Amino acid sequence: EFVLTQSPATLSLSPGERATLSCRASQTVSFYLAWYQQKPGQAPRLLIYDASNRATGIPDRFSGSGSGTDFTLTISSLEPEDFAVYYCQQRNNWLITFGQGTRLEIK
Amino acid sequence: VQLVESGGGVVQPGRSLRLSCTASGFTFRSYGMHWVRQAPGKGLEWVPCISSSSSYINHVDSVKGRFTISRDNSKDTLYLQINNLRAEDTAVYYCAKDLTFRYSFMDVWGKGTTVTVSS
Repeated sequence: EFVLTQSPATLSLSPGERATLSCRASQTVSFYLAWYQQKPGQAPRLLIYDASNRATGIPDRFSGSGSGTDFTLTISSLEPEDFAVYYCQQRNNWLITFGQGTRLEIK
Repeated sequence: VQLVESGGGVVQPGRSLRLSCTASGFTFRSYGMHWVRQAPGKGLEWVPCISSSSSYINHVDSVKGRFTISRDNSKDTLYLQINNLRAEDTAVYYCAKDLTFRYSFMDVWGKGTTVTVSS
C-alpha cells in the first residue's frame, strides 16, 4: 500500500514567519508530487506540481523541493490568507494518493 | 475555466446515484479527469480517474466494483456512477481537471456536490 505521511499534523505560526511542511512517501515517487491548499468550505487549490513547479497564479512565497521519498513545502513569509490545510499528492502506476494533511493555524 | 458538479443528495443505503460534472472554458476532450471525495471533517480521497479519450481508467481499490467513472466528450461532461451506496460513501464529491491528457495533478476543481447516505 502506497502511503504519504505529512508532518506535523498541526503547525502553529504567526504571520510573517516561515512555514516548513513535510511529506514523506512510503516508496519513491521520483518528482511526481504536488501540494494543495484547502480553506474551510472551499475546494482544494493546486499550489505546486512536479515537486517544485508553482501552479499558475501562485505567489512566489510558496516553494516546493525534494525528490524520491522526501518533500517539503515552504512558505517564506506567512500572510493571513495562508492559514489553511495543506495536502500533498503523488501519482504512480495510475494510482493517486493524498497525504492526511497539515493544518497551518495562527499562533 | 469552470467545473460544476450535480447529482448529489440524500440516498438510502444500497441505492444508486449518478454524479455529473459539466466543464466549460477549456477543451474538455484534451484532459484527464478525476473524482475526489472528502468525508465530513476528513482529508481528501482520490476515487477514480479517466484519460482524455477514456482509454485509461482506474479506481481506488476500496470502490472497485461499485464506482464507475465515464465521460462524454461531446457533452463536456464527466460522470460517476455509484452503486450499492454505503454510509462510508457520505462525502463531498469534487470533480477535478488533470494537468495532462492522462493522470498527474489537478489544477481545476469544482465546488463539489454532497452525497449523504442515510436511511
